[in-house]
Amino acid sequence: KAGVTQTPRYLIKTRGQQVTLSCSPISGHRSVSWYQQTPGQGLQFLFEYFSETQRNKGNFPGRFSGRQFSNSRSEMNVSTLELGDSALYLCASSLGGLAGNNEQFFGPGTRLTVL
Amino acid sequence: GEDVEQSLFLSVREGDSSVINCTYTDSSSTYLYWYKQEPGAGLQLLTYIFSNMDMKQDQRLTVLLNKKDKHLSLRIADTQTGDSAIYFCAETLGEDNTGKLIFGQGTTLQVKP
Repeated sequence: KAGVTQTPRYLIKTRGQQVTLSCSPISGHRSVSWYQQTPGQGLQFLFEYFSETQRNKGNFPGRFSGRQFSNSRSEMNVSTLELGDSALYLCASSLGGLAGNNEQFFGPGTRLTVL
Repeated sequence: GEDVEQSLFLSVREGDSSVINCTYTDSSSTYLYWYKQEPGAGLQLLTYIFSNMDMKQDQRLTVLLNKKDKHLSLRIADTQTGDSAIYFCAETLGEDNTGKLIFGQGTTLQVKP
């Protein structure tokens, strides 16, 4: 079974631009979560989507948004980029059930650099 | 509160056992996870433990959970150079199973030949 895929793997943008990152979950997984990883703040939860609905959200400004499509693929968008948005963005997929263990499997990440 | 703490660095000799420690604050955490991250890669799920368990063993990995002290540890037996990586513990909060994991800062494991 193929793992979680993320595109693109690397991205360079300038301040003020916007960016869209894509995540394809493991086949059969209906939940996609997004995380930001930086040296200073570590791994921080952005949001989670299940069946095209945002089910949980972290403490990030409204410039960070996401969506999920009917095939469970997800995109996240960051508008008006700031230097501090430079990070590794990781997505994770899971079955998404609310009961029992909900193991999350991560993709390789998208490395975003904002100049 | 949401807080997971780990020591930042551990160095061991090849063949020794490694013990990576983690403390968490949410007493209602249901599942606790260990992930491994190699340079330039995403996170690899190593193992997990349910909060009503004390111990879980999976080949070279042993997870110990002390719920009273909110302390979690990962023991790697016969540590190899390929085990060099950053190890993260993570918790889910209470009954919240909606994909939100709270991660520690990560422990860098250095394995010397």
